[in-house]
Amino acid sequence: GQSLEQPSEVTAVEGAIVQINCTYQTSGFYGLSWYQQHDGGAPTFLSYNALDGLEETGRFSSFLSRSDSYGYLLLQELQMKDSASYFCAVYTTGYQLIWGAGTKLIIKP
Amino acid sequence: KAGVTQTPRYLIKTRGQQVTLSCSPISGHRSVSWYQQTPGQGLQFLFEYFSETQRNKGNFPGRFSGRQFSNSRSEMNVSTLELGDSALYLCASSSLGELPANYGYTFGSGTRLTVV
Repeated sequence: GQSLEQPSEVTAVEGAIVQINCTYQTSGFYGLSWYQQHDGGAPTFLSYNALDGLEETGRFSSFLSRSDSYGYLLLQELQMKDSASYFCAVYTTGYQLIWGAGTKLIIKP
Repeated sequence: KAGVTQTPRYLIKTRGQQVTLSCSPISGHRSVSWYQQTPGQGLQFLFEYFSETQRNKGNFPGRFSGRQFSNSRSEMNVSTLELGDSALYLCASSSLGELPANYGYTFGSGTRLTVV
């Protein structure tokens, strides 16, 4: 079957750096996306990696290694407002988007 | 530009009833996907429509159905509601066409359905 694995919860300190990992096992691969969802809100798109390497968007960066079926989201200079759930999702053949179960990021002052 | 609009925002229904939820995608987006999210759970894929055709379907019972109109607006219907259907139902639209690109799905704010 197709699956994505990511930690259920990560805790970090305000101002620090945190990495959320995602490993995937899918039939076919087009790209890896990351979404952020605050409690009570809708998921919002953060990044998309189709090729190996690091994509940087402000304080957020996303990395992909297709040979390792692995990616991560890196959040720098953590702020309290970054407390949210983060989902990785893989776009596979057949126009399917497979989602991870989400990682709850807890930020402590 | 306007975002993805879902109506209604909140809904309370009784077991056994049916419900119809509506989603208006971003103008020009032809792909509309529906998801169910329960507390503490990830996104469970229901189905995806592209140009009025159901292109993908998740593992939900036949009580869950949907459709898409020529203007890309989509509806999903749940018949014979069960208590376990209480959830946040999210709709997402995308400009994705034949091949994936540097895309992103834009989600609506969701419809929170409570079945009592």
